[in-house]
Amino acid sequence: GAVVSQHPSRVICKSGTSVKIECRSLDFQATTMFWYRQFPKQSLMLMATSNEGSKATYEQGVEKDKFLINHASLTLSTLTVTSAHPEDSSFYICSARDSGRPRGALFGPGTRLTVL
Amino acid sequence: GENVEQHPSTLSVQEGDSAVIKCTYSDSASNYFPWYKQELGKRPQLIIDIRSNVGEKKDQRIAVTLNKTAKHFSLHITETQPEDSAVYFCAASGGNQFYFGTGTSLTVIP
Repeated sequence: GAVVSQHPSRVICKSGTSVKIECRSLDFQATTMFWYRQFPKQSLMLMATSNEGSKATYEQGVEKDKFLINHASLTLSTLTVTSAHPEDSSFYICSARDSGRPRGALFGPGTRLTVL
Repeated sequence: GENVEQHPSTLSVQEGDSAVIKCTYSDSASNYFPWYKQELGKRPQLIIDIRSNVGEKKDQRIAVTLNKTAKHFSLHITETQPEDSAVYFCAASGGNQFYFGTGTSLTVIP
């Protein structure tokens, strides 16, 4: 069935390095995917909308040069956290809507990023 | 954009009692309102949803009501069980994006 996968599930990196997170739709195509950030015990904050074949749309306050989004195909979107700092440590979750599934959105399992 | 507020932030109930979580939204163009349950460290899972052309929807112990005029909707869980303990998020959507409420941490005390 339709599922959203994310890789890696956990990543630990040094401050100043870049980290790429992949989000894939399985058994369906997603022209639009969404990236969320979630701090402990807090809600999911929409960071950006990833559009296949075009530029991502960022929410207010999200730095587009720091959080690079690429949606190269109908099944893959990537989020790259550039020059990561400890304050970027968070749980990053992607989601996608399956046009054949009228209810809700499917979420990936999330990626726990820890920047040392 | 849309602004979704959710109350309460924490809720403790005795097993068997009911739990009610309320949300308000700001954008009158929003027409779809899902509720998600998220267990610690896991992805959100859709539990129930409602569209703006419906006032109430029920699925076993879970029900959702929508007042489109007042721009608020609520989640009702009856006969709560310990496995209902989790964080619940409401969301509002007028297109592809979902905007989430701040979450309610529900604890069901055995």
